[in-house]
Amino acid sequence: QVQLVQSGAEIKKPGSSVKVSCKASGGTFSSYSISWVRQAPGQGLEWMGRIIPIIGTPIYAQKLQGRITITADTSANTAYMELSSLTSEDTAVYFCARGDNGGYPLDYWGQGTLVTVSS
Amino acid sequence: DIQMTQSPSAMFASVGDRVTITCRASQGISNYLAWFQQKPGKVPKRLIYAASSLQSGVPSRFSGSGSGTEFTLTISSLQPEDFATYYCLQHDTYPQTFGQGTKLEIK
Repeated sequence: QVQLVQSGAEIKKPGSSVKVSCKASGGTFSSYSISWVRQAPGQGLEWMGRIIPIIGTPIYAQKLQGRITITADTSANTAYMELSSLTSEDTAVYFCARGDNGGYPLDYWGQGTLVTVSS
Repeated sequence: DIQMTQSPSAMFASVGDRVTITCRASQGISNYLAWFQQKPGKVPKRLIYAASSLQSGVPSRFSGSGSGTEFTLTISSLQPEDFATYYCLQHDTYPQTFGQGTKLEIK
C-alpha cells in the first residue's frame, strides 16, 4: 500500500523559507511523478510543481518560479518542496501527491502540512 | 496557462438527485482531465482519471465524460457522503491547473 508521509506543521516569519518533506513507502519511488499542491484557508487547490525522481528535473508553476525548489532523494524515498521569501499569502496546507502506474497524476496523497506565515 | 472553468461554483441538491458538474478548458486538453472530491479538513481524493476512467474503489454512481474542452462529472444518485467540494484538474500541459471548485451542499 503506497503511503506518503509529510513533515509536520511549520510557523514561519515573513521573508523566511520553509522546506516540507514527503516520504514514500509501499511502492517504487523513483519512476513516479511527485507533485506539490497547496490550499490556502477556505480556497481551492493550486498546483505548484512536480518532479519525477529518476529524471530529477522539476517543473514549476510560473507564479512560483524563482521561489520554489522541488527535489527528490531516491536513496531516502523522499521528495522535498522548499519555498522562499514567504509572505502571508503563502499560508496554506501543502500536499504532496504521487502519480499512478499509467502516468496519471495525484493518485496517492500525503496528509498535508500546514505552513503558517506570520510575524 | 490553460484556464479551467467549473460550473456551477456551488449547488444545493437532495439525496437521490442526479447531479452534473461541468469543467471547461480554455484550450483543448484531449482527455487529460481528472476529478477530485474533497471534504472539509480532508485530503483530496481522485474519483476519475483520463476524463472517464473510474478510480478503483469509487462507487459506480460517479462517472465522467468529455474530451477536448468540455467535461462533466455526474453523480447518478446523490448519497449523504457525497456532499463535498469537487475539483477538476487538467494535466495536458504544464502548469497543470485546477478548476476553482464546485461546492455541493444539502438542500
